[in-house]
Amino acid sequence: DVKVTQSSRYLVKRTGEKVFLECVQDMDHENMFWYRQDPGLGLRLIYFSYDVKMKEKGDIPEGYSVSREKKERFSLILESASTNQTSMYLCASTLPAGLAGAETQYFGPGTRLLVL
Amino acid sequence: SQQGEEDPQALSIQEGENATMNCSYKTSINNLQWYRQNSGRGLVHLILIRSNEREKHSGRLRVTLDTSKKSSSLLITASRAADTASYFCATEINDYKLSFGAGTTVTVRA
Repeated sequence: DVKVTQSSRYLVKRTGEKVFLECVQDMDHENMFWYRQDPGLGLRLIYFSYDVKMKEKGDIPEGYSVSREKKERFSLILESASTNQTSMYLCASTLPAGLAGAETQYFGPGTRLLVL
Repeated sequence: SQQGEEDPQALSIQEGENATMNCSYKTSINNLQWYRQNSGRGLVHLILIRSNEREKHSGRLRVTLDTSKKSSSLLITASRAADTASYFCATEINDYKLSFGAGTTVTVRA
């Protein structure tokens, strides 16, 4: 079974703090993703990575950065946390797309972040 | 804007009844996927249907795809309390990325 783990289930931080969210997958997947999920808005893509040290901005990258130094690990960094970054953060991984299109994404359990 | 949108937003049914939810999307796709999310947890993949398929089954789940109408439906038969969750359809933006709708919240009453 694919396993995607996230470093924390719940996190409380103060405005202005630097926040690190870690994601690790054990299936040797090339692609990894960070989403945030807010009520009524569904999942919005923040960043994704298709290889070590490679990254691409998603739909809402402002205020976030990412790091992928090893294939199995993808980190999301909030440079200076703000209250509007209070959200559920979900990490996912997947194989590269096949001939039939985008592949199944495997999700971690999520990190619920509260910024005070 | 989101590529896929689910309808209805919420659904409440009695245990044993069937639940049907729909997904509409805007552009042509290679495949469409359905995911489930239990409260406060990550998403779990349920089923993937390819553009050349019209119907697919997995246990008590039945998914249909109508590419001419750009729509899909997910049917859960003989619902159980454990089916209480949010259900999302996901369509491709490109080879890497999926677009998720806002989801349908299903409540199964005992």
